[in-house]
Order: sequence, then C-alpha cells, then structure tokens
Amino acid sequence: EVQLVESGGGSVQPGGSLRLSCAASGFIFSSYWMNWVRQAPGKGLEWVASIKQDGSEKYTVDSVRGRFTIFRDNTKNSLFLQMNNLRPDDTALYYCARSWSAGYFEYRGRGTLVTVSS
Amino acid sequence: EIVMTQSPATLSVSPGERATLSCRASQSVSNKLAWYQQKPGQAPRLLIFAAFTRATGIPARFSGSGSGTEFTLTISSLQSEDFAVYYCQQYNNWPPWTFGQGTTVEIK
Repeated sequence: EVQLVESGGGSVQPGGSLRLSCAASGFIFSSYWMNWVRQAPGKGLEWVASIKQDGSEKYTVDSVRGRFTIFRDNTKNSLFLQMNNLRPDDTALYYCARSWSAGYFEYRGRGTLVTVSS
Repeated sequence: EIVMTQSPATLSVSPGERATLSCRASQSVSNKLAWYQQKPGQAPRLLIFAAFTRATGIPARFSGSGSGTEFTLTISSLQSEDFAVYYCQQYNNWPPWTFGQGTTVEIK
C-alpha cells in the first residue's frame, strides 16, 4: 500500500524556520517526482515545490523562492521541505504528493500543519 | 502562468441527480488535466487524469471530458459520499502546476 506520512509542522513566529518531512513507503520512491502542495485554512490548493526523481531538477512557487528548499533522500525514501524566513501567509496544511513524470499528483498523507504567528 | 477557472463556485444538487462541473484554462493545456475530490479533514483524492481517465478505484459515475481550454467533470448520479469540493489542475505547462479555485457540491 502506498503511504506518504508528513511530519515536522508546528507553530513558529514570523522569520522562523521549520523542516517538513515526508516518509514514503509501498512504492519505488526513486521512480517518482515528489511534490509539496499546501492549503491555507478554508482555502484552495496551492502547489509549493517539486523535485525530480534524482534531485536534478527542483522548482518552487514564486512566493517561497529563496526561502523554501525542497530536497530528497532516495536512500531513506524521504522528501523534505526546508522552510526559512516563514511568514504568516505560509500558514497552511502542507501535503506531500507523488507524481509520475511531472504530471498529476497522488496524495496519501494527512498533511502537516504549519502555523506562523506572533 | 496558466490560470485555471472553475465554475460554478457552488453547485446545489439533489442525491441521484447529475452534476456538471466546469474548468477553463487561460491557454491550452492539451489533455493534461486532472480532477480531485476533497472532503473535510481529508487529503485530496485523484479522480481523473489526462482529462478523462479514471484513477484506480474511482466509480464509473465520475467522468471527465474536454481538451485544450475547456473541461468538464460529470457525476452521473450523485451519491451521499460525493458531496465535497472538487478541484481541477493542469500539468501541461509547468512550473507552476496550477489549480482551479474549487467547486463545492452541496446537498440541495
């Protein structure tokens, strides 16, 4: 069974940092693009970041560029999102999702909540 | 950036009736269009990819159509478990991968 388990969320003050993790199982992790998608409270879905199978390509949405870094460890079947200089508008539920060939997203986790507030 | 626009924002439908949801792209996305269902407190669930291909385990009452800039998700006979928010997403021109703002299907 495909599983994606997000962790690392929490409450942080503006300007703070968090590192989100996503533990993958039940599939060949190194064969998939991996992605982070977020959802602010009561709002829609927003793509945040994506990384190619071997980590050679990485993309982030303009609003987080220079602050967030996506990376992966294929030896540990894990995806990460390093979030620095957090802002209140980064408050959201962050989902990890896999995709085949930079396509549609498949979600399996419950997300991890990030709250940025003073 | 490709902007995805969904309509209507809210659709009120009685159980057993047909629901038709629309998604429009600001420029052609070919058939690289996915639909997701999201229920409160749950992660999005992939329903349709490549505009009309049902994902594994998705009931046949869900169907997708369209290409280019105009797409439709049809639920042929609404069941109680189908009341949810539905999102479309394009994956033809990226980054960014972009979503519509969602359509809420509610009980009439």
